[in-house]
Amino acid sequence: GAVVSQHPSWVICKSGTSVKIECRSLDFQATTMFWYRQFPKQSLMLMATSNEGSKATYEQGVEKDKFLINHASLTLSTLTVTSAHPEDSSFYICSALGQGIEQYFGPGTRLTVT
Amino acid sequence: EDQVTQSPEALRLQEGESSSLNCSYTVSGLRGLFWYRQDPGKGPEFLFTLYSAGEEKEKERLKATLTKKESFLHITAPKPEDSATYLCAVQARNSNSGYALNFGKGTSLLVTP
Repeated sequence: GAVVSQHPSWVICKSGTSVKIECRSLDFQATTMFWYRQFPKQSLMLMATSNEGSKATYEQGVEKDKFLINHASLTLSTLTVTSAHPEDSSFYICSALGQGIEQYFGPGTRLTVT
Repeated sequence: EDQVTQSPEALRLQEGESSSLNCSYTVSGLRGLFWYRQDPGKGPEFLFTLYSAGEEKEKERLKATLTKKESFLHITAPKPEDSATYLCAVQARNSNSGYALNFGKGTSLLVTP
């Protein structure tokens, strides 16, 4: 149980284009999902908290107009990186809050912006 | 401000050589402390949740313990397949980010045959 999927697992895009990443909870409903970013050799940094049916809450320093989050259902949250630039290249990981306080993570999406 | 510090940064063990990983934390009201395992290029895999000082949890060769200031992840007789980065994270009771996790930088464990 508590399986979270992400799609795509990797994506390469050109600078200035937008990329959408999907995060799904496969066997449970998640009213809250989280988006993290991880740079090489570093730990996970929280970008935003996504609540079903309401606006996402962004961490300080994260541009909400650049990283658009939509949590339209209890099993799906999407992160759209708009007008991507090379510095946005990173490993993006989502997680979903289970029935307790544990978070279950997706496998991650490797974004490379050329 | 909540802080999570893990040590050592990297650890190399021979197969069968038991050891412990440390996670020191400061948090204004702990809701839970979590241990995750992360393999290269993958998302973190949930291992344990500890809620209060004195609590212990075990899973196969891993045992996690918690005090008011730190947590240990004990690895007994490790095998090469235990090689991974082990992440510690805390969840604060009154965080502005709700149930969000604050991660340490992790301990990279390598177990050689």
